[in-house]
Amino acid sequence: GAVVSQHPSRVICKSGTSVKIECRSLDFQATTMFWYRQFPKQSLMLMATSNEGSKATYEQGVEKDKFLINHASLTLSTLTVTSAHPEDSSFYICSAIPGTSGLNEQFFGPGTRLTVL
Amino acid sequence: AQSVTQLDSHVSVSEGTPVLLRCNYSSSYSPSLFWYVQHPNKGLQLLLKYTSAATLVKGINGFEAEFKKSETSFHLTKPSAHMSDAAEYFCVVIKYSSASKIIFGSGTRLSIRP
Repeated sequence: GAVVSQHPSRVICKSGTSVKIECRSLDFQATTMFWYRQFPKQSLMLMATSNEGSKATYEQGVEKDKFLINHASLTLSTLTVTSAHPEDSSFYICSAIPGTSGLNEQFFGPGTRLTVL
Repeated sequence: AQSVTQLDSHVSVSEGTPVLLRCNYSSSYSPSLFWYVQHPNKGLQLLLKYTSAATLVKGINGFEAEFKKSETSFHLTKPSAHMSDAAEYFCVVIKYSSASKIIFGSGTRLSIRP
């Protein structure tokens, strides 16, 4: 089956620093990737839709200058948390859709645990 | 508008007994519905999906779900729980519009008693 990886799996950083999280589709090309955020014991919240070669579409209430998304190739999307603060600590999960498949074929990465001290 | 409601935040069953995780949806037309499982600090794994084919959907690890339009339900069941089934389960609906998106339920934590 299709595999999506994320790197790093966990990261600890100091307040005020920026952190980059990578999401890769390993065995397929993905024109569309999604970024989710999950707080402890809560559901996933869609943050943004990442489209290869164009600007990301952010959900209401998500600061696009805070969470920078770049989808420079068909197999890689990155999420950069800029000037991270403790309230940004969370579990970030990406997903990817193969080719021109619809949302029925969404594959999820294993997630990245971000802890901001 | 489409949404999904998971009626139980926590379900606890004994090993070897049946599992029932409830999910209701609201949709103006035939939805696509999914169940995902998430083990601690792990990503999401697709258990099964309904996309307007057979109403009884069989998934992995012995799970199945039945789409009941009259009840707007998509409950997840398993005849006999195993310790390894302990995890968080999410019912998910796809919202189709000019900007289609996936909507997650609030999740149900399944605990298995020895």
